[in-house]
Amino acid sequence: AQSVTQPDIHITVSEGASLELRCNYSYGATPYLFWYVQSPGQGLQLLLKYFSGDTLVQGIKGFEAEFKRSQSSFNLRKPSVHWSDAAEYFCAVDSGSGGSNYKLTFGKGTLLTVNP
Amino acid sequence: DVKVTQSSRYLVKRTGEKVFLECVQDMDHENMFWYRQDPGLGLRLIYFSYDVKMKEKGDIPEGYSVSREKKERFSLILESASTNQTSMYLCASSSLGMGTQYFGPGTRLLVL
Repeated sequence: AQSVTQPDIHITVSEGASLELRCNYSYGATPYLFWYVQSPGQGLQLLLKYFSGDTLVQGIKGFEAEFKRSQSSFNLRKPSVHWSDAAEYFCAVDSGSGGSNYKLTFGKGTLLTVNP
Repeated sequence: DVKVTQSSRYLVKRTGEKVFLECVQDMDHENMFWYRQDPGLGLRLIYFSYDVKMKEKGDIPEGYSVSREKKERFSLILESASTNQTSMYLCASSSLGMGTQYFGPGTRLLVL
């Protein structure tokens, strides 16, 4: 069965510092990978996704992520964090059978706190 | 822009009540999903539907049922609400050709 691990439950960074959120997945085939962000009391918003091609993908709000097949990782990065980035971040992998259902398996999330 | 709306942001119900959570999407998506989100457990899939009147169980379907009579609407039903169903419920939709799921704002349900 597919699984997604986000090793860090909670990360605190200072505003302006760089950020890296880790995500490791277990999946037999070529995965479809996603990062979502959830602000308090809100639904999930898509930050970026990887389906194929260039392994470095750019997303919204200045985020990027790099797919590394050899490490089964899809880490999220941002060079300079803003206070508004404080939220919970979820990594997800497409766990569907390759057909049309596109079920996602989510990690348990990483809560990001930004200090002024 | 894709819009997924959920009928209530907050809901308070009593144990044993029948509860309906409604979700509507306006992008003609084939797939719709219901998740529950609990602290430390992330998102867990309850049910999903890939077509009108079609449904499949997710990881935690016990105590829930769903209904999809129209393509744009997907309902989650708690037949007899229990306190352990107090949670945040998130609806999502996606099209046939894309894996990206679009989420509604969520319904925070409290069962007393």
